[in-house]
Amino acid sequence: GENVEQHPSTLSVQEGDSAVIKCTYSDSASNYFPWYKQELGKGPQLIIDIRSNVGEKKDQRIAVTLNKTAKHFSLHITETQPEDSAVYFCAAGYSSASKIIFGSGTRLSIRP
Amino acid sequence: GAVVSQHPSRVICKSGTSVKIECRSLDFQATTMFWYRQFPKQSLMLMATSNEGSKATYEQGVEKDKFLINHASLTLSTLTVTSAHPEDSSFYICSARIRPGDEQYFGPGTRLTVT
Repeated sequence: GENVEQHPSTLSVQEGDSAVIKCTYSDSASNYFPWYKQELGKGPQLIIDIRSNVGEKKDQRIAVTLNKTAKHFSLHITETQPEDSAVYFCAAGYSSASKIIFGSGTRLSIRP
Repeated sequence: GAVVSQHPSRVICKSGTSVKIECRSLDFQATTMFWYRQFPKQSLMLMATSNEGSKATYEQGVEKDKFLINHASLTLSTLTVTSAHPEDSSFYICSARIRPGDEQYFGPGTRLTVT
């Protein structure tokens, strides 16, 4: 089955700097890669996703890149703000299948 | 749009009792709902997948007789933790999906504490 590894587990960046979180997956058949933001005591919220027919997707300060050959994808947050502090999860799965598998999470802290 | 609610948000129950958690899609019909468990500072682990009108599919290692899932309508799924024990204390999160290939919309979670 699919296995998703996520790094780093914790990340602290200065406000205004960029943050990068990386994930690798094991199943080459996976074609759907969402990223979620989870604040303390709340459910995860989708912030961006990418499908395997594209290599990069951007939404304002957030971008995701996908390298299918290497089986890794990354989340990039630019011009970080205090409200970006949260736990971020990557996930991978088949778009037509039932389930997605989550990475272990990255706790992002933005230093003022 | 695409709002998923859970009730209750927090529940405390005594060991040996059962507790039911509801998951509702408020503004869409969900053919599939998912139940996850999340221990402190850990990732979300899928427990089971339920399709409206059919039996849930449980992940390996999840006891189906202990975690009863009912998906009776396109807007409601319930998870019942039977004979709860302290080790069942966790954050339970549901998600809902309209159709295969769509994103999953997550609920706010239910904090279960078994004393």
